[in-house]
Amino acid sequence: AQKVTQAQTEISVVEKEDVTLDCVYETRDTTYYLFWYKQPPSGELVFLIRRNSFDEQNEISGRYSWNFQKSTSSFNFTITASQVVDSAVYFCAKRGNAGKSTFGDGTTLTVKP
Amino acid sequence: EADIYQTPRYLVIGTGKKITLECSQTMGHDKMYWYQQDPGMELHLIHYSYGVNSTEKGDLSSESTVSRIRTEHFPLTLESARPSHTSQYLCASSRSDGGGYTFGSGTRLTVV
Repeated sequence: AQKVTQAQTEISVVEKEDVTLDCVYETRDTTYYLFWYKQPPSGELVFLIRRNSFDEQNEISGRYSWNFQKSTSSFNFTITASQVVDSAVYFCAKRGNAGKSTFGDGTTLTVKP
Repeated sequence: EADIYQTPRYLVIGTGKKITLECSQTMGHDKMYWYQQDPGMELHLIHYSYGVNSTEKGDLSSESTVSRIRTEHFPLTLESARPSHTSQYLCASSRSDGGGYTFGSGTRLTVV
């Protein structure tokens, strides 16, 4: 299977710090999608973003931003001015032509007050 | 309000029992999935379906079975539960055009 690697298993920051979650993926697909999900303690996964492999524009949504670099197969996620409510497990995922998504192992983010 | 529903939310059951975890979605998504996940850990795909009467096994070997008789319904059945089945089971659905997944709240299963 083509892997998605989230190098950081756990990150701990103090509120208002910026934090970047790394995601590197492997692919043989010509077209694919990249995703980030948030899983708060309640357990439900929340979809954050989808990026098409043809679209390398970075995206900003409020305090969240994503940096997609096809040349390095990376899709990093930055939270600016982190808040306690950002504490969660964040998953990066890739979906290729076959339609089955591959998820990373997740990064547990703890934001301390 | 959730568009994908899983029941029960929590289940404690004895070894050897047969159980069915329910999953329904109201979005008309063709694709549905079952993932097994320990809290905060990687999701493992155990079953998926691309439409009615279509089911496939996922990446992780599982003793469970699924059915897809209706678009909106994708139940997962364990014929004989074992303690090794203790985990969280997440159901998800997605459109066929590469749209992001929507996950249910999960069923946390404990087999004693």
